[in-house]
Amino acid sequence: KQEVTQIPAALSVPEGENLVLNCSFTDSAIYNLQWFRQDPGKGLTSLLLIQSSQREQTSGRLNASLDKSSGRSTLYIAASQPGDSATYLCAVAGNAGGTSYGKLTFGQGTILTVHP
Amino acid sequence: DTGVSQDPRHKITKRGQNVTFRCDPISEHNRLYWYRQTLGQGPEFLTYFQNEAQLEKSRLLSDRFSAERPKGSFSTLEIQRTEQGDSAMYLCASSLARRGPTYNEQFFGPGTRLTVL
Repeated sequence: KQEVTQIPAALSVPEGENLVLNCSFTDSAIYNLQWFRQDPGKGLTSLLLIQSSQREQTSGRLNASLDKSSGRSTLYIAASQPGDSATYLCAVAGNAGGTSYGKLTFGQGTILTVHP
Repeated sequence: DTGVSQDPRHKITKRGQNVTFRCDPISEHNRLYWYRQTLGQGPEFLTYFQNEAQLEKSRLLSDRFSAERPKGSFSTLEIQRTEQGDSAMYLCASSLARRGPTYNEQFFGPGTRLTVL
């Protein structure tokens, strides 16, 4: 059974700092990995999608890397801003038996607070 | 592209009542997923549709839960005889299973917050 762990559980940083969020998963047979942002009481916003054949993806100040063999992904946020404050969730889509319907297994999230 | 929509956004019901939620996916998306999220946890998979076929159900989905996606468009999730343990955020997501760099990227709706009294 796939398990996804995110470290740290919470992070508080001053504005302008660069930061790294970590995600690890137990089964390396994944199809892809997604990073999401969730504001309190809201749905999830997709930030980055990395297919299993890729090593990293970039979008603006965000960069996500994937090391499938070691079961790890990192989300790097450059020059953090107060508006980045949210919960960040990592999720993997399994590839059991060579097929994937794409259902996601989520970590518990990292609660990020960026203070001015 | 108006995104994934869900209705209602909030539902308060008494224990034992039936409730039904609706999800409208992004129009060309052929896959639709339901997840459940409790406070402080990541979402958990409930069930999945490819077009109108329900292809997988989680063990979390007891016999009191049923989902449909008639004609492969919108989907409904019904909970019969609600229990206090059903209180959660119910999230719907859709994706397009078409080869390419964004294969099966999932987009989520705003969720339906269910409170069972």
